[in-house]
Amino acid sequence: QVTLKESGPALVKPTQTLTLTCTFSGFSLTTSGMRVSWIRQPPGKALEWLARIDWDDDKFYTTSLKTRLTISKDTSKNQVVLTMANMDPADTATYYCARIPSKWNNEGAPDAFDIWGQGTMVTVSS
Amino acid sequence: SALSQPASVSGSPGQSITMSCAGTSSNIGTYDLVSWYQQYPGRAPKVIIYEATERPSGVSIRFSGSKSGNTASLTISGLLAADEATYYCCAFAGPNTQWVFGGGTKLTVL
Repeated sequence: QVTLKESGPALVKPTQTLTLTCTFSGFSLTTSGMRVSWIRQPPGKALEWLARIDWDDDKFYTTSLKTRLTISKDTSKNQVVLTMANMDPADTATYYCARIPSKWNNEGAPDAFDIWGQGTMVTVSS
Repeated sequence: SALSQPASVSGSPGQSITMSCAGTSSNIGTYDLVSWYQQYPGRAPKVIIYEATERPSGVSIRFSGSKSGNTASLTISGLLAADEATYYCCAFAGPNTQWVFGGGTKLTVL
């Protein structure tokens, strides 16, 4: 069974750096084709894709936040970490991590966010 | 949002509804990597369509997807009260932009 779970602070102050951890099980990020993304959703608003890391350590970021985001992985712990610098109240949102298998993984929904974590709500306020 | 979805649609139980997702030649028009997500309030999204037309294992056959040009569509047939949720489309937009989402469509089952 594939599961993902986000963890991190519920409250951060403006200008601080947010660090979120996605701990997963049921798959490995050492498996060719496997990828993990972060997606966020401000209260009452739409989903927004943020970043992606691949099995081969390729990394991708949304253009609008590229200078503030860093994604990394620790395969020994089955974790993906997202840091976002210089937090602003506009960054208040629920942050999700999700798995993206590739076609050749022959599981799940390839090239889609097929399994999501429950999300973690982050509020930015002084 | 990079993809345009109607804010709301409604239908009666048993009816069929179709919701649209309008993109551009940079995303939906070029790539077949369109996915749809169902989200209940306070819950994480769940994928119901991938690669524009494919259904993941366990998703009801009442959900179907299609794509024509720069527009993707989601059809739900035999509406149930349990289908009342917000639906998001998502499309791959190339190696630089990666993924873009629509603004979401809230489905009301009357």
